[in-house]
Amino acid sequence: KAGVTQTPRYLIKTRGQQVTLSCSPISGHRSVSWYQQTPGQGLQFLFEYFSETQRNKGNFPGRFSGRQFSNSRSEMNVSTLELGDSALYLCASSLVGQITDTQYFGPGTRLTVL
Amino acid sequence: KNQVEQSPQSLIILEGKNCTLQCNYTVSPFSNLRWYKQDTGRGPVSLTIMTFSENTKSNGRYTATLDADTKQSSLHITASQLSDSASYICVVSGSGNTGKLIFGQGTTLQVKP
Repeated sequence: KAGVTQTPRYLIKTRGQQVTLSCSPISGHRSVSWYQQTPGQGLQFLFEYFSETQRNKGNFPGRFSGRQFSNSRSEMNVSTLELGDSALYLCASSLVGQITDTQYFGPGTRLTVL
Repeated sequence: KNQVEQSPQSLIILEGKNCTLQCNYTVSPFSNLRWYKQDTGRGPVSLTIMTFSENTKSNGRYTATLDADTKQSSLHITASQLSDSASYICVVSGSGNTGKLIFGQGTTLQVKP
């Protein structure tokens, strides 16, 4: 069974631009979560989608948004990029996102904002 | 404020030795605690998941313990190998699903030959 895939793996943007990241979960998984990882802050939860609906949201500004499609694939969008948005963006999928579900992480998308 | 703190921040041990990583949390209500291993440049991989009723769980050479009363967890690595060199992250969930997981800053472990 294929793992979680994320595209692109690396991305360089300039301040003020917007970016869209994509995540394909493991087949059969309906919950997709997004995280931002930086050296200073560690891993921080962005949001979780389940059955095309945002079920939980972390403490990030509205510039960060996402969506999930009927095939469970998910996209994350960041508008008006800031230097501080440079980070590794990870997505993780699980069956239905229950407390005992194992989350499987993708390799991440490394975003650099210049 | 819900927090997860890990110690030590970094650790260097010799191959074959044992080590223990610590995690203290103040998350309430508490649902479960997870330990992840993250190799450099890769996504985290789940090692264990424990709910409040479980006080120990093993995954090969990795053994996690949980004391829900003192809100402490530890990850013990037995007979370390070079491949154990990674960041180990403690994650606590205070809700009923994987939403709003609270992550520790991680412990970076380096195993030397």
